[in-house]
Amino acid sequence: GESVGLHLPTLSVQEGDNSIINCAYSNSASDYFIWYKQESGKGPQFIIDIRSNMDKRQGQRVTVLLNKTVKHLSLQIAATQPGDSAVYFCAESPGRFNTGANSKLTFGKGITLSVRP
Amino acid sequence: NAGVTQTPKFRVLKTGQSMTLLCAQDMNHEYMYWYRQDPGMGLRLIHYSVGEGTTAKGEVPDGYNVSRLKKQNFLLGLESAAPSQTSVYFCASSYYRPANYGYTFGSGTRLTVV
Repeated sequence: GESVGLHLPTLSVQEGDNSIINCAYSNSASDYFIWYKQESGKGPQFIIDIRSNMDKRQGQRVTVLLNKTVKHLSLQIAATQPGDSAVYFCAESPGRFNTGANSKLTFGKGITLSVRP
Repeated sequence: NAGVTQTPKFRVLKTGQSMTLLCAQDMNHEYMYWYRQDPGMGLRLIHYSVGEGTTAKGEVPDGYNVSRLKKQNFLLGLESAAPSQTSVYFCASSYYRPANYGYTFGSGTRLTVV
């Protein structure tokens, strides 16, 4: 069935290092991908998104890479800071032209990023 | 703009009691969603709405009901609470199809059923 999964449940990185969080998806029709960050006690917050017609998109300290050949999505965080400690979710949408029952995101289970001082 | 507001933030219920969770958004979003989040389970969709007056079942709808009488509000009801419904509940909204815009989430409601 369709699923969005994360390779590792936890990731520990040293402050200042770069972090890479990976995500696999199985729906080849997926058209739109989003990374969310969820801090403790809060709701998920949008970080960055990418459409299937792109391979890479950069934001402030974050980069999302999309490899459609192997259905793989990754989030890179440069110079990881203590404030980056959170759970990160990838999400995918089946396509911008779907409506009704398909108008919802599918989420991965989440990976915890822990930043060591 | 307040975005997506959920009330209450915390609640403790006894088994068998009923309650309603309120989600309100001030962004004129068309689509609204209710998720529950449990440890190790990620976000699971309970019910959703693609417009005022419409609702649809998600992945785990049993034991819950919803209503979308006004575009800005999406209510989640528990008719007879069970301990298995202890969870954190998140509401989300989307301007149009989430394929174009993604979701905006509320801050959550932590519900404990004893």
